[in-house]
Amino acid sequence: DAGVIQSPRHEVTEMGQEVTLRCKPISGHDYLFWYRQTMMRGLELLIYFNNNVPIDDSGMPEDRFSAKMPNASFSTLKIQPSEPRDSAVYFCASRGGTSFYNEQFFGPGTRLTVL
Amino acid sequence: SQQGEEDPQALSIQEGENATMNCSYKTSINNLQWYRQNSGRGLVHLILIRSNEREKHSGRLRVTLDTSKKSSSLLITASRAADTASYFCATEGRGTASKLTFGTGTRLQVTL
Repeated sequence: DAGVIQSPRHEVTEMGQEVTLRCKPISGHDYLFWYRQTMMRGLELLIYFNNNVPIDDSGMPEDRFSAKMPNASFSTLKIQPSEPRDSAVYFCASRGGTSFYNEQFFGPGTRLTVL
Repeated sequence: SQQGEEDPQALSIQEGENATMNCSYKTSINNLQWYRQNSGRGLVHLILIRSNEREKHSGRLRVTLDTSKKSSSLLITASRAADTASYFCATEGRGTASKLTFGTGTRLQVTL
């Protein structure tokens, strides 16, 4: 398996532009997580899905952020409009199994820079 | 705010020495996990310890958990230069199945 795949790996955009980050989880995994990592705030959970349904989006910073999971093999995180403070590394992770005791598998991340 | 706080924030040791990192958390947990992050990469799972376990080993890793003190430690024995990375603890809280809260991380530097 190729692991969790994220695209793009790097994104540079100007303030006000729309940004879409993409994630393909590991096949067969039924949980998908979006995280944001910054020096100031560390690693924060933004939203997670179970069987394509959003379960907890309490970490989404504001209405400019939205996430979708139209099917089991694809998810997007969209920021519209983007702002400089959104600059961060965004990670997608997936998890499988019905046990409580399962690890999360992380993608390589998307480094977003908003100018 | 983040659940886990890690100590120390940074640690520098020589190859062959042991490295110990500590994690404290605030609420009841189902399990606690440790992850490693190499610079510019995603996180990689190292080890998971359940709330009813006190100690666990995996290769050169030893994890302890004290639920009464809400703390955990990660020991890496006989460290290698390749162990240089940031290490994060993550807790899965009771009633929050699958949702992990990450600590602030410890940056480990292993020098030759």
